Amino acid sequence: DAKTTQPPSMDCAEGRAANLPCNHSTISGNEYVYWYRQIHSQGPQYIIHGLKNNETNEMASLIITEDRKSSTLILPHATLRDTAVYYCIVRDILTGGGNKLTFGTGTQLKVEL
Amino acid sequence: DGGITQSPKYLFRKEGQNVTLSCEQNLNHDAMYWYRQDPGQGLRLIYYSQIVNDFQKGDIAEGYSVSREKKESFPLTVTSAQKNPTAFYLCASSMVAGDVYEQYFGPGTRLTVT
Repeated sequence: DAKTTQPPSMDCAEGRAANLPCNHSTISGNEYVYWYRQIHSQGPQYIIHGLKNNETNEMASLIITEDRKSSTLILPHATLRDTAVYYCIVRDILTGGGNKLTFGTGTQLKVEL
Repeated sequence: DGGITQSPKYLFRKEGQNVTLSCEQNLNHDAMYWYRQDPGQGLRLIYYSQIVNDFQKGDIAEGYSVSREKKESFPLTVTSAQKNPTAFYLCASSMVAGDVYEQYFGPGTRLTVT
């Protein structure tokens, strides 16, 4: 499975955009990039996923570079409730269906007033 | 409300005892997963099951056992053979058809063994 590299921590002012980078230089052509976040002592929450094109949903936007070696998760207007650990994952598809998600240590995003 | 439930939220056991963690889902998902998380670390896959009466070892299965007798339920037993059982345990489920396979996670069980 492709390895991802993320900065260990980032700070963001409330109301500003939070841009979380991720490097996945060994990603192969058919592997999706997934983003999850985990608020302290809770289960991870799915945010967004993408393959080649940029994606947007109600929570965030995902920008994937043309060579697919890196991506950026954008929270357009960060709030205090967005403080969490954000995981960038390149998934493995399991034989028979389903994903194997390999979670690294992620980026601790701290949103401050 | 559809989702995944794990109980209890906190569990305390004495060393040498087996303990079973509950995971139930009403999302009609075929696949279910168990992860372990240690402080400051990411999640590691213990076991997964893609269909009733079948399951596969993940990356750290030693000292754990599971069963999948019903689609909705995937209990995890932490046996006395697990050398460092104190951890946060998370259950998840997903579809197996299609191409997205988004995993939904439960709230977790924090196990402390002394």
